[in-house]
Amino acid sequence: GAVVSQHPSWVICKSGTSVKIECRSLDFQATTMFWYRQFPKQSLMLMATSNEGSKATYEQGVEKDKFLINHASLTLSTLTVTSAHPEDSSFYICSARDSGRVLGQPQHFGDGTRLSIL
Amino acid sequence: AQTVTQSQPEMSVQEAETVTLSCTYDTSENNYYLFWYKQPPSRQMILVIRQEAYKQQNATENRFSVNFQKAAKSFSLKISDSQLGDTAMYFCAFMTGAAGNKLTFGGGTRVLVKP
Repeated sequence: GAVVSQHPSWVICKSGTSVKIECRSLDFQATTMFWYRQFPKQSLMLMATSNEGSKATYEQGVEKDKFLINHASLTLSTLTVTSAHPEDSSFYICSARDSGRVLGQPQHFGDGTRLSIL
Repeated sequence: AQTVTQSQPEMSVQEAETVTLSCTYDTSENNYYLFWYKQPPSRQMILVIRQEAYKQQNATENRFSVNFQKAAKSFSLKISDSQLGDTAMYFCAFMTGAAGNKLTFGGGTRVLVKP
């Protein structure tokens, strides 16, 4: 089955640090990937749609300068949390859509990254 | 904009019993897709079942089945013969090509299967 690898799975860092999270589609190409944020006991909230070779599309209320997204290849999207602060602590999940399949197919999710800012 | 509502924040069920999770959605689109995802304590997102709006037949995957009522915009999930491993958060989700294939999630229902 389609596999999405997300790395790192857990990161703890000091306030003010920038943190990069990678999302890779291992056995399919993904022109579109999605980044979600999930607070404890809450649902997934879409942050942005990552488009290969072009700028990401951010959801309303998401700071694009805070959450930098780069999708430079058909198999890799990165989310960089810049100058992270404790309020950025959360669980971040990526998903990818298989470009080779018809619309309406399920997205494939990474295992998530737990980000803790001290 | 599409919205997805799960009215039951938490449900418990005895092992081997059946539990039904409700989900309603709001959209003006006619062609769309509905999903149920399971998120166990490991926090992996696991696809449970998928339904295409233009198909009248309800989707079924082993012990999991849906009751899709398009006119009522309802998409409930039935878990039969509940197992301890079914304990998880369950999210209903909506997708349409008109919205760039983004998934809109409901708030989730926590299911606890008791031995």
